[in-house]
Amino acid sequence: EDKVVQSPLSLVVHEGDTVTLNCSYEVTNFRSLLWYKQEKKAPTFLFMLTSSGIEKKSGRLSSILDKKELFSILNITATQTGDSAVYLCAVVTQGGSEKLVFGKGTKLTVNP
Amino acid sequence: ETGVTQTPRHLVMGMTNKKSLKCEQHLGHNAMYWYKQSAKKPLELMFVYNFKEQTENNSVPSRFSPECPNSSHLFLHLHTLQPEDSALYLCASSALASSYNEQFFGPGTRLTVL
Repeated sequence: EDKVVQSPLSLVVHEGDTVTLNCSYEVTNFRSLLWYKQEKKAPTFLFMLTSSGIEKKSGRLSSILDKKELFSILNITATQTGDSAVYLCAVVTQGGSEKLVFGKGTKLTVNP
Repeated sequence: ETGVTQTPRHLVMGMTNKKSLKCEQHLGHNAMYWYKQSAKKPLELMFVYNFKEQTENNSVPSRFSPECPNSSHLFLHLHTLQPEDSALYLCASSALASSYNEQFFGPGTRLTVL
């Protein structure tokens, strides 16, 4: 059974801290890995990763994929209160029937 | 405003009721999706429509019945639901099917089944 596991499930930090969120996966026929930020209700897309070792970066956020060890990390530097959200990791599998498998998410709280 | 709207935003229904959730996208996209997000469970992709045709049905019970009359509208018809179906139902759209990196999500419908 395809599985995506995120850790930690929740995290509380202070503004200015750097955080690393983890996502490991066990799926058949991996195609890509995605990170989303979910504030309140609607998730917003952050990164899509398909190749190992290539860092994707957007402002203070960055992410990298390791296809050999089957995990990805999402880094946030100099955190701000606006970074408080649930961060979702999802893996797209390819094959006869494509599937999108999500982890449970990491709830990040950034305190002033 | 994300360009994807969902109505109603909140819905409470009994197990014998029939109700429908509506999603509308104003982005000119061709693919639309239904997701379910239950408390303490991962987000689940339920259905995918591409150019009004259903392309994915991820083992969803028949008490959930999707309908896509055109590329801009997507419905989820609900009947004889169970309390465990209480969840946030999210709709999304993208220009093409499987463009998960380009999806826009709606605000969701919070469904409670009594």
